[in-house]
Amino acid sequence: EAQVTQNPRYLITVTGKKLTVTCSQNMNHEYMSWYRQDPGLGLRQIYYSMNVEATDKGDVPEGYKVSRKEKRNFPLILESPSPNQTSLYFCASRDSIYGYTFGSGTRLTVV
Amino acid sequence: QKEVEQNSGPLSVPEGAIASLNCTYSDRVSQSFFWYRQYSGKSPELIMSIYSNGDKEDGRFTAQLNKASQYVSLLIRDSQPSDSATYLCAVDVNYGQNFVFGPGTRLSVLP
Repeated sequence: EAQVTQNPRYLITVTGKKLTVTCSQNMNHEYMSWYRQDPGLGLRQIYYSMNVEATDKGDVPEGYKVSRKEKRNFPLILESPSPNQTSLYFCASRDSIYGYTFGSGTRLTVV
Repeated sequence: QKEVEQNSGPLSVPEGAIASLNCTYSDRVSQSFFWYRQYSGKSPELIMSIYSNGDKEDGRFTAQLNKASQYVSLLIRDSQPSDSATYLCAVDVNYGQNFVFGPGTRLSVLP
């Protein structure tokens, strides 16, 4: 089944404790992105990647890191999480023509 | 700043009626346009894509694009209660380097 898999689905952590949210796609897509979704602010792009070793900032990159060492994987790293990064995070992938296919989401709470 | 605007909701329609959802975008170089449906607590799901001016029909859904007016719409015919969701307009600017979502319109279909 074609899908984007992200883990974990739910995560509660403390301020400053480094964490990684994993994302993997099995569709051989070139493009991958991370979005966060907050009430009243909609979906905002954090980082995107056009291919292996090619990443760029989206609209809200501060406090996040990404890497794309393999085509299928695109992890999101929060080196020192803060409460304002509490949000619903989505990983997504696409080819050059069609729209993004989204993962199931990760609900992150930073206390 | 690339912006995507949608008509403010919530939009309520009776079962069997036509629901009309509108979207405008600011960047004239936008090439591809997408409509997503998002149920509460779930990830966005791609329902329609449109790339050239005119209408595109898929079952009960019709997408309409007018690039001169920078306007894209989604019509849902014979609306069903299961169509109740938030509908997100997305615009692909600059060949995938910016994929911007609108804030969404919440649709309620009343039995």
